Amino acid sequence: DAGVIQSPRHEVTEMGQEVTLRCKPISGHNSLFWYRQTMMRGLELLIYFNNNVPIDDSGMPEDRFSAKMPNASFSTLKIQPSEPRDSAVYFCASSFRVRGKNIQYFGAGTRLSVL
Amino acid sequence: AQTVTQSQPEMSVQEAETVTLSCTYDTSESDYYLFWYKQPPSRQMILVIRQEAYKQQNATENRFSVNFQKAAKSFSLKISDSQLGDAAMYFCAYRSADGGSNYKLTFGKGTLLTVNP
Repeated sequence: DAGVIQSPRHEVTEMGQEVTLRCKPISGHNSLFWYRQTMMRGLELLIYFNNNVPIDDSGMPEDRFSAKMPNASFSTLKIQPSEPRDSAVYFCASSFRVRGKNIQYFGAGTRLSVL
Repeated sequence: AQTVTQSQPEMSVQEAETVTLSCTYDTSESDYYLFWYKQPPSRQMILVIRQEAYKQQNATENRFSVNFQKAAKSFSLKISDSQLGDAAMYFCAYRSADGGSNYKLTFGKGTLLTVNP
C-alpha cells in the first residue's frame, strides 16, 4: 500500500486566500484524522471522521476551517480566508477502527505558509 | 482531559550507545494505549512502538523497548545500539481505549534526539 497520501507537500499563499489540503487514506481504513503541528502548540487534533462522518470537530479552531470527507478515499481540509497564524504543518492520518487495533498511520504532511 | 508530558526537549547519544526518553501522562482512565512516534527530518510520522495499558509486559520492537509503569503513569522509550538513522523528534502519545470521540491521539511536545558518530 502507498500509505496515506497528502497533497500538496508545500503550500505558500497570501493572507486572505483560500487553501485546500487533500488527503487520501489507506485503502480499507474507516477512520481519518486531521492534525496540525506548530512549534507553540505541538500536534493537535483538528477533526476526526469515522465512516466518512465527522465525529469530533472540537479541535477546529475557527469557522474559517472546514473539512469534508465525501467518500472513503478522499478528504479535504479547507481554510477560507487564510491568515498568517494558520502557518503550520497539517497531517492527515488514517486507521481501521477496531478495538485494540486502532493504529494511526500518518501522511507526510503539508507545510502551509501564509504570508 | 488527558495530558502527555515529555520533560526532555533535547537529548543526545553516541552511536552504538543506549538512550532513554521520558514520558509521563495524566489520565483517570484505566484502559488506554500508549505510543511512541518518530518524526525524522523528512517530517513523516512513523510509529515506533505501542503499549496496551492492560498488559504488564513491556513492549519491544528490535532495538526499541519501553518501560511502562502504570501506577506512576510513566512510559519511557529505550533505544539500544543507537544508529545515526535514529536521529529524529520522538513523540509520546496517548489514546483512550474507549470508543466514540476518544480515538484521537494526545501528543507530548516531543524530544529531539541527536545521534553523534
